[in-house]
Amino acid sequence: EIVLTQSPATLSVSPGERATLTCRASQSIGIYLAWYQQRPGQAPRLLIYDASTRATGIPARFSGSGSGTDFTLTISSLEPEDFAVYYCQQRSDWPFGGGTKVDIK
Amino acid sequence: QVQLQESGPGLVQPSQTLSLTCIVSGGSISSGPYYWNWIRQPAGEGLEWIGRINAGGSTRYNSSLKSRVLISADPSKNQFSLQLSSVTAADTAVYFCARQRMTGTTELDSWGQGTLVTVSA
Repeated sequence: EIVLTQSPATLSVSPGERATLTCRASQSIGIYLAWYQQRPGQAPRLLIYDASTRATGIPARFSGSGSGTDFTLTISSLEPEDFAVYYCQQRSDWPFGGGTKVDIK
Repeated sequence: QVQLQESGPGLVQPSQTLSLTCIVSGGSISSGPYYWNWIRQPAGEGLEWIGRINAGGSTRYNSSLKSRVLISADPSKNQFSLQLSSVTAADTAVYFCARQRMTGTTELDSWGQGTLVTVSA
């Protein structure tokens, strides 16, 4: 069973600053990682898949990188609507990380 | 663009069976390289995968819920369903249905808005 661990649990950032979120897999998953954004009261929204490919309609300020066991989601300059919870997901039967909440500093 | 919508009772009594349906529009559940999933989220907590079904009717379930879960599909109505038996307060959550690509990362690219199910007498 592959487990995803996200860090930090909470990230406090000012609008306009860069945010860097991390997801670590308990064993190698190649590039098979996705990232989601979940705003309060909404369903998750797909941001990134295959570690670094932006989903349709996702702004360029969101970027993903990594392979193997270590992955990063970077938001280059935080907009007000980016304050949310972010989850990573991999393809096995325990797919989601625990989430990182990005809140306003 | 495919859209998913959950429907079902918002209140279920303890020990009873929770039943939800996901109605799919803008795409057929019988075609395309997709799985059709149920995922839940207790208030203030993270996402928990429940299980999925494919166009051929094959299912796969979270091992921690497997003894209580049944996912089925009705291609004639373009919908799929979740049944969770012997519910307790721990099953209180927002339940989402979602489409999942079969290849590569198998990302969940379309989600329903979610429906809150409360288990209480």
